[in-house]
Amino acid sequence: AQTVTQSQPEMSVQEAETVTLSCTYDTSESDYYLFWYKQPPSRQMILVIRQEAYKQQNATENRFSVNFQKAAKSFSLKISDSQLGDAAMYFCAYRNGGTASKLTFGTGTRLQVTL
Amino acid sequence: DTGVSQDPRHKITKRGQNVTFRCDPISEHNRLYWYRQTLGQGPEFLTYFQNEAQLEKSRLLSDRFSAERPKGSFSTLEIQRTEQGDSAMYLCASRGGQGWNEQFFGPGTRLTVL
Repeated sequence: AQTVTQSQPEMSVQEAETVTLSCTYDTSESDYYLFWYKQPPSRQMILVIRQEAYKQQNATENRFSVNFQKAAKSFSLKISDSQLGDAAMYFCAYRNGGTASKLTFGTGTRLQVTL
Repeated sequence: DTGVSQDPRHKITKRGQNVTFRCDPISEHNRLYWYRQTLGQGPEFLTYFQNEAQLEKSRLLSDRFSAERPKGSFSTLEIQRTEQGDSAMYLCASRGGQGWNEQFFGPGTRLTVL
């Protein structure tokens, strides 16, 4: 079974600074996808960024980028120029490459953004 | 609003009562997922539908839980004889097409069992 581990329960960053959230995963599959989801307080979960395992190039979405280290099974999220609206729970998630597949989530990292 | 919707948003019930939650996915999405999220944890998969067929169930889904998607559109999740341990946020997500297509989540139903 696949597992996802987020070892940072909480992180804090000053506005306009950069922060990196860590995620490691375990799988024996070769075809899979990795995701970072954001869950603001009392609001629904939204996708931040995704990475296909077969792609060597790290995904980037505006201020969000990932560092995907396939051999190390590591998938960290970097948030640049942090904004107050970035404050939320961030979940790392894994999905097998099949057509069905459920998401397996980590336990989350709560990000605080301070002035 | 064309997103995933869930009803009710909050449910308080007494132990032993039955509860039913509804999820309306994005209309063109044929895949629907239920997850459960307890405080301080990430969502955990419960069950998955492709159209009206329930194709996968987690071991978390005890005999007291049943889910349906009768016409391949909306889905219901019923919990019979609720227990305090059932208190959680129940999330629904839908997905369409093939490949990586993302799962879109609803706002969830927060269940409190007294």
